Amino acid sequence: DGGITQSPKYLFRKEGQNVTLSCEQNLNHDAMYWYRQDPGQGLRLIYYSQIVNDFQKGDIAEGYSVSREKKESFPLTVTSAQKNPTAFYLCASKLGNGANVLTFGAGSRLTVL
Amino acid sequence: DQQVKQNSPSLSVQEGRISILNCDYTNSMFDYFLWYKKYPAEGPTFLISISSIKDKNEDGRFTVFLNKSAKHLSLHIVPSQPGDSAVYFCAAGQGQAGTALIFGKGTTLSVSS
Repeated sequence: DGGITQSPKYLFRKEGQNVTLSCEQNLNHDAMYWYRQDPGQGLRLIYYSQIVNDFQKGDIAEGYSVSREKKESFPLTVTSAQKNPTAFYLCASKLGNGANVLTFGAGSRLTVL
Repeated sequence: DQQVKQNSPSLSVQEGRISILNCDYTNSMFDYFLWYKKYPAEGPTFLISISSIKDKNEDGRFTVFLNKSAKHLSLHIVPSQPGDSAVYFCAAGQGQAGTALIFGKGTTLSVSS
């Protein structure tokens, strides 16, 4: 079955450490996205990529970095510069321009101790 | 400033009755709108969408209404079932612009039996 796989599901990190969240899709989608969910805040856009080797900042990109070396993969690194990294992170993808529906992964919960 | 607003954080209805979830937007360039349903610790799942050229779209128990002049849309669920209890997100986008979906903060629906 096609879909989006996010790993790990749960992750704990100490303050000052960088951590990378994995997102892999086998839907042959062109565009990929990272959102963050906090209680009462809805889904806020961190970064998105419409094609390989290209990506754009979203509304809350500070303290995060991404890469898009392969069509299938869009990893997100939460750096030590992110002041409030504890959150639920969601990866999504869609076919490309003209396609409207985002397909989401199951999410990764990051907790900073 | 929020471009997509869901002003009711929560809604409680009885099983079998109608649930009406509301969403307002400010950007007149949005040309399609979607509703997503989300359970805790899971990714959102697509529910129903509507193009800006329509004023109604129906899929089973779910109907979305769009009032462009008021920049308002609503999701009707009839009849409501306990399994509908979840967080519902309204989202808006510009199809050909290649930009990401903008989400509201969500409304938590509780359906009691």
